[in-house]
Amino acid sequence: AQKITQTQPGMFVQEKEAVTLDCTYDTSDPSYGLFWYKQPSSGEMIFLIYQGSYDQQNATEGRYSLNFQKARKSANLVISASQLGDSAMYFCAMPKKGGSEKLVFGKGTKLTVNP
Amino acid sequence: KAGVTQTPRYLIKTRGQQVTLSCSPISGHRSVSWYQQTPGQGLQFLFEYFSETQRNKGNFPGRFSGRQFSNSRSEMNVSTLELGDSALYLCASFSAPGAYNEQFFGPGTRLTVL
Repeated sequence: AQKITQTQPGMFVQEKEAVTLDCTYDTSDPSYGLFWYKQPSSGEMIFLIYQGSYDQQNATEGRYSLNFQKARKSANLVISASQLGDSAMYFCAMPKKGGSEKLVFGKGTKLTVNP
Repeated sequence: KAGVTQTPRYLIKTRGQQVTLSCSPISGHRSVSWYQQTPGQGLQFLFEYFSETQRNKGNFPGRFSGRQFSNSRSEMNVSTLELGDSALYLCASFSAPGAYNEQFFGPGTRLTVL
């Protein structure tokens, strides 16, 4: 069964600095994908970035990039030039296969950006 | 294109009551999933619907039910509410099964059970 582990309950970063949020996963599927979502205090889950297991390059979306290390089963999110608005919960997730669109989520990391 | 909408945004109920939550997916999306988020259990999958059919259900008691209409709008119902049902209920819409990277969430309904 798929499992997502986020070992950092909370992270702090200074404004304008880069920060890496860790995510490791476990799956026996040869083909899979990994998502990162941002959840501000308002509650909405905001899609940030997606990485497919067979993608040739690491995914990037603006200030977000994914450090995908398949052999280590890690998919860390890197946020460059942090902004105060980046303060939020961040979740790593993976779809559960087998005819289901269920996403399996990690416990999340609370990021606080300090001015 | 409008995003996923969920109504109501906030609800306060008392134990034993029942509640119905609504989710309207992105126009053109035919699949809807529901999740429950609590501080203790995190995000847990409730149901998944595609074309009015429930394709999968999470490990929740029978008090939790759902349905999807022909216009792809979905509702979930919780009967005989318990204190532990207090949570943020999130709905996600996607264009079709397998469209993992096209899954978008609504703002959620925050349910408080007193």
